[in-house]
Amino acid sequence: DAGVIQSPRHEVTEMGQEVTLRCKPISGHNSLFWYRQTMMRGLELLIYFNNNVPIDDSGMPEDRFSAKMPNASFSTLKIQPSEPRDSAVYFCASSLGGEKLFFGSGTQLSVL
Amino acid sequence: AQTVTQSQPEMSVQEAETVTLSCTYDTSENNYYLFWYKQPPSRQMILVIRQEAYKQQNATENRFSVNFQKAAKSFSLKISDSQLGDTAMYFCAFPVSGGSNYKLTFGKGTLLTVNP
Repeated sequence: DAGVIQSPRHEVTEMGQEVTLRCKPISGHNSLFWYRQTMMRGLELLIYFNNNVPIDDSGMPEDRFSAKMPNASFSTLKIQPSEPRDSAVYFCASSLGGEKLFFGSGTQLSVL
Repeated sequence: AQTVTQSQPEMSVQEAETVTLSCTYDTSENNYYLFWYKQPPSRQMILVIRQEAYKQQNATENRFSVNFQKAAKSFSLKISDSQLGDTAMYFCAFPVSGGSNYKLTFGKGTLLTVNP
């Protein structure tokens, strides 16, 4: 099993630019989660999907953030426009039935 | 609010010794899971161990074991025979609200360094 696959691993962009992070969950998993990790705030849940449907997006910080899951094998997290305070590591995770979360390797985002 | 607290920002241990990382949580739920995750320098989040709250027996995974005190809402992780590869950030995690495993809330983490 390839595990949860995230791309890119690193992203450097300038303030105001659009950023799209991608995630491929483990095949057969029915739940997908987007987390953000910073030194100040630790790991924060941004949004999660169940069977491709967004269940709770209360952690999404602003309207600049949006997430989609068009099918069971792909999800995106988009930031438009990006700001320096969005700099963080963004993790995608998936699970089957919610018992155990399997994380991707994360995307290190730097907004200059 | 349901919270997870790790009171030890950093700890160190000598190789082959035993170390215990503490975690407390707050919930009104009765049935839930608790998790410890490890994040080595590679950044990958790795599940170390899971405890089911309705089970009185403490979970064990090789050198890793937990001391689960449900009444005290305490969930500590014990690492026996520490190895250099155990050097990592360790996060305690707990599902927020409804007994669901979906919305995992993480503690701030404990940075464990294993010294040779």
